[in-house]
Amino acid sequence: DGGITQSPKYLFRKEGQNVTLSCEQNLNHDAMYWYRQDPGQGLRLIYYSQIVNDFQKGDIAEGYSVSREKKESFPLTVTSAQKNPTAFYLCASSASSPDTQYFGPGTRLTVL
Amino acid sequence: GENVEQHPSTLSVQEGDSAVIKCTYSDSASNYFPWYKQELGKGPQLIIDIRSNVGEKKDQRIAVTLNKTAKHFSLHITETQPEDSAVYFCAAKQKVPGKSTFGDGTTLTVKP
Repeated sequence: DGGITQSPKYLFRKEGQNVTLSCEQNLNHDAMYWYRQDPGQGLRLIYYSQIVNDFQKGDIAEGYSVSREKKESFPLTVTSAQKNPTAFYLCASSASSPDTQYFGPGTRLTVL
Repeated sequence: GENVEQHPSTLSVQEGDSAVIKCTYSDSASNYFPWYKQELGKGPQLIIDIRSNVGEKKDQRIAVTLNKTAKHFSLHITETQPEDSAVYFCAAKQKVPGKSTFGDGTTLTVKP
């Protein structure tokens, strides 16, 4: 089955701890994205990567970090510097052409 | 950067009626406009998209129209069914730097 997987589905962490969210795709897509979704709001772009070993900040990158060492993987680390980390995190990927984004099932992070 | 506004934020219709959701965008260089459906606790799923060289696209009960001059595009759902109840998001993709901006979403409720 081709697709995007995110793990875990639910994640709980104590305040002050860094946490890494996993995103893997086997669609052979070049580009990958991380979005944050808060209740009743749209998707806000955190980071995106259009090619391996390269990534760009999105609109709300502060307090987050990413890496893109492999084409199929784009992990997101939520650092202790992120002031309000509790949210629903969505990963997406797209080919160069067509450039339709396909989303994973999401990870709900709760910081206690 | 791109700015996308989506209206209405909530929409309630009777089963069998039509539903229309409208989005406006600011960057005339945006060239790709997808619509996503998101069910509770899940990632968004693409339902239809349109590119800037096309004015209208239809897929069974779903259609999207694009007015490049006015910079707005709309989602039309005919013969609505209770399973159409979900949150719908529009997005506009900029040609450069190749990232998408999402609207804040519309919660559609179809009453049986």
